[in-house]
Amino acid sequence: EVQLVESGGGLVQPGGSLRLSCAASGFTFSSYDMHWVRQATGKGLEWVSGIGTSDDTYYLGSVKGRFTISRENAKNSSYLQMNSLRAGDTAVYYCARDNGGTGNFDLWGRGTLVSVSS
Amino acid sequence: NFMLTQPHSVSESPGKTVTISCTRSGGSIASNYVQWYQQRPGSSPTTVIYEDNQRPSGVPDRFSGSIDSSSNSASLTISGLRTEDEADYYCQSYDASTFLFGGGTKLTVL
Repeated sequence: EVQLVESGGGLVQPGGSLRLSCAASGFTFSSYDMHWVRQATGKGLEWVSGIGTSDDTYYLGSVKGRFTISRENAKNSSYLQMNSLRAGDTAVYYCARDNGGTGNFDLWGRGTLVSVSS
Repeated sequence: NFMLTQPHSVSESPGKTVTISCTRSGGSIASNYVQWYQQRPGSSPTTVIYEDNQRPSGVPDRFSGSIDSSSNSASLTISGLRTEDEADYYCQSYDASTFLFGGGTKLTVL
């Protein structure tokens, strides 16, 4: 089955760290750019970060220097290391596949919830 | 930097046609592809239109997309509205390796 499954979310204190994982199956993972998109409760979608097939990386301005995206093709996985977390980072984090590199996020996971609170 | 602006909400009756706009400020709407996503409550987003006007397999032809350079905007049109179309709709585009979603439009079918 073609799918993405996120994991690693949870409750963390401000200033803390979390590492999110995205496990892909059913397709040739190494051939696709991958992204992380978040959504705070009751709010809209916000692109966070992306990684290309050549490990080129891209970030939303507000997370640059705090978040690091990576991928491990041998494990069909993408990761988002989140440091110096803030209350404003609280959201459901989705992993998404970019089909064709044109921003067509054609496959999404179910998301993992990150809560930043003391 | 650029922005994508959508109406907060639209409503229309079943069987009618509705159009949701997405206006780009900062750069040309035609310079990068626009996608449209549907998100029902409690679910992940799904693509209804990609690359301005392409429809993924499985998306009914009641959904169509277009761009208008004169208004620097993209549009999602849904004809023959059904109650199942009630959802949030987001436009999305990119520029210089930065991706951006519009604020979303809540479609109510009543």
